[in-house]
Amino acid sequence: NAGVMQNPRHLVRRRGQEARLRCSPMKGHSHVYWYRQLPEEGLKFMVYLQKENIIDESGMPKERFSAEFPKEGPSILRIQQVVRGDSAAYFCASSPPGQGIGGYTFGSGTRLTVV
Amino acid sequence: AQSVTQLDSQVPVFEEAPVELRCNYSSSVSVYLFWYVQYPNQGLQLLLKYLSGSTLVKGINSFEAEFNKSQTSFHLRKPSVHISDTAEYFCAVSEGGGFKTIFGAGTRLFVKA
Repeated sequence: NAGVMQNPRHLVRRRGQEARLRCSPMKGHSHVYWYRQLPEEGLKFMVYLQKENIIDESGMPKERFSAEFPKEGPSILRIQQVVRGDSAAYFCASSPPGQGIGGYTFGSGTRLTVV
Repeated sequence: AQSVTQLDSQVPVFEEAPVELRCNYSSSVSVYLFWYVQYPNQGLQLLLKYLSGSTLVKGINSFEAEFNKSQTSFHLRKPSVHISDTAEYFCAVSEGGGFKTIFGAGTRLFVKA
């Protein structure tokens, strides 16, 4: 039973390019959460999705960031026109129906570096 | 609104010594509490959780935590640490029935030989 799969593990983008981060939840998990970890900081909530629905995106920056979780395929976090301040580790977590009260299962993260 | 404060950003300790990592939270409603561990360049792994019931919670790798409602604390303890426990530890809280988990800034545990 594979865990939460994120790819790529490392991503380098030049300023102004687009970054696409992918997350495949654990089998049987239909809830996906994205968190961002800036250097020397804890994890900050970005967005909570279920299949084809954004449930809460209160932690997403208003511009350039978007997320989706289609009926088929992985969840995608998309960052347009990246800037240096977007450099961070982005973690995806998943949980089964019944929300996250049992604790999340995290992926290994995507480390985005903007040069 | 929820918040989580981890009182120590770094905790150095010698191998086989006991350790306590402190965590306080603020919330006006009932909460679920978690401790996660993050090894270098990896994701977070759930150590233990408090949902209800006994206030002393046992987790993996001999870690345990005690929920103290009056002090709004959920400190993590281990009686004897190993070099392999060197990692970052995150306390987290989720308000009862909610989905959004709020994380503290983390405590870096450094175990010395």
